[in-house]
Amino acid sequence: EKVMTQSPATLSVSPGERATLSCRASQEINDDLAWYQQKPGQAPRLLIYEASTRATGIPARFSGSGFGTEFNLTISSLQSEDFAVYYCHQYNNWPLTFGGGTKVEIK
Amino acid sequence: DVQLLQSGGGLAQPGGSLRLSCAASGFSFSNYAMTWVRQAPGKGLEWVSTLTDTFVTFSADSVKGRFTISRDNSQNTLYLQMDGLRSEDTAVYYCAKGHSSDAYDYWGQGTLVTVSS
Repeated sequence: EKVMTQSPATLSVSPGERATLSCRASQEINDDLAWYQQKPGQAPRLLIYEASTRATGIPARFSGSGFGTEFNLTISSLQSEDFAVYYCHQYNNWPLTFGGGTKVEIK
Repeated sequence: DVQLLQSGGGLAQPGGSLRLSCAASGFSFSNYAMTWVRQAPGKGLEWVSTLTDTFVTFSADSVKGRFTISRDNSQNTLYLQMDGLRSEDTAVYYCAKGHSSDAYDYWGQGTLVTVSS
């Protein structure tokens, strides 16, 4: 099983600041990685797939990078609606796995 | 618009059964893999099971032999039959549509399954 480790667990950021979230895979996953945003009481929302491609309708302030085992999600200028939990997800092989999540909170 | 409308769920006793449904609309259902993902209270996301467009199934070890994923393409509906339920199966269950990349681009609203005596 490919274990996904996200850091930090919680990120405190002021509105307008830049946030960088990390995700590390225990084994190589090429670019078979997605990022999701989840707000309380809501289903997850796809932000990024193939490590760096924004999903339909996702604002340009969200960007993804990385390949192999190290990945980042960057939010260039945090808006109020961006405070949420973010999960990475590898779909390189079975079983599919998610990271434990990073909560982005208002500083 | 793509919609995934979930039903089923609720309270079950340990060892009991429940069936979840996920009615899809707004896309060609038969052409896409469909997946169930769950989230225990206050916890992260956990992949449960996937059924491809060619009817190949994959399931997490934690549910193998107890949960069965199926689909009815004539009704555009995905199912999850859950037997031998355990307290650790308590979670919100989401159905999700597969994307061309194998990520999940649309999700159902979620349904709560509680396993308790």
